[in-house]
Amino acid sequence: KAGVTQTPRYLIKTRGQQVTLSCSPISGHRSVSWYQQTPGQGLQFLFEYFSETQRNKGNFPGRFSGRQFSNSRSEMNVSTLELGDSALYLCASSLFGGLTEAFFGQGTRLTVV
Amino acid sequence: QKEVEQNSGPLSVPEGAIASLNCTYSDRVSQSFFWYRQYSGKSPELIMSIYSNGDKEDGRFTAQLNKASQYVSLLIRDSQPSDSATYLCAVNTGNQFYFGTGTSLTVIP
Repeated sequence: KAGVTQTPRYLIKTRGQQVTLSCSPISGHRSVSWYQQTPGQGLQFLFEYFSETQRNKGNFPGRFSGRQFSNSRSEMNVSTLELGDSALYLCASSLFGGLTEAFFGQGTRLTVV
Repeated sequence: QKEVEQNSGPLSVPEGAIASLNCTYSDRVSQSFFWYRQYSGKSPELIMSIYSNGDKEDGRFTAQLNKASQYVSLLIRDSQPSDSATYLCAVNTGNQFYFGTGTSLTVIP
């Protein structure tokens, strides 16, 4: 059974640019949640999608957005990148939603220069 | 005050000992609680989930929840060097998911 797949694994972007990250959940899982991990703040919840609908949202600015497709794959977009957006972005998929039996992908390491 | 607080450690225990990891949370409406293990350079992996007061055991791991004290803990019995990792406590309040910053555990052979 394939795990959660995130692409790309690494990205380098310039301030002001935008970026799109992708997450393919485990087959059959309808929930995808996104997190930002930094050394100082730890893991912070961005948002959760369930069956193509945003169900929950963390406390991040509107520059961070996401969507989920009918096949449950999800994308996260960050516009007008700032240096502080440099982080490991993780997605997790769950059959039931939230953190219940949630499995994380390997993450996308974003560096903003 | 952070929503989830953990002692960052590092916590060192000898092989075979019991490692005790603690976590407190601030939101009384928190519904479900999770412990994740994260090896350096890897993504978090779920170890235990607990939803009601009391203890829940799974192999060498025991999670303990006390909602009155807003406290959740993880005990690792017969600690092994392979248990050396950062342990993250996570809380689901219903519409938000909060993680602690993690406790670094080192098991000394």
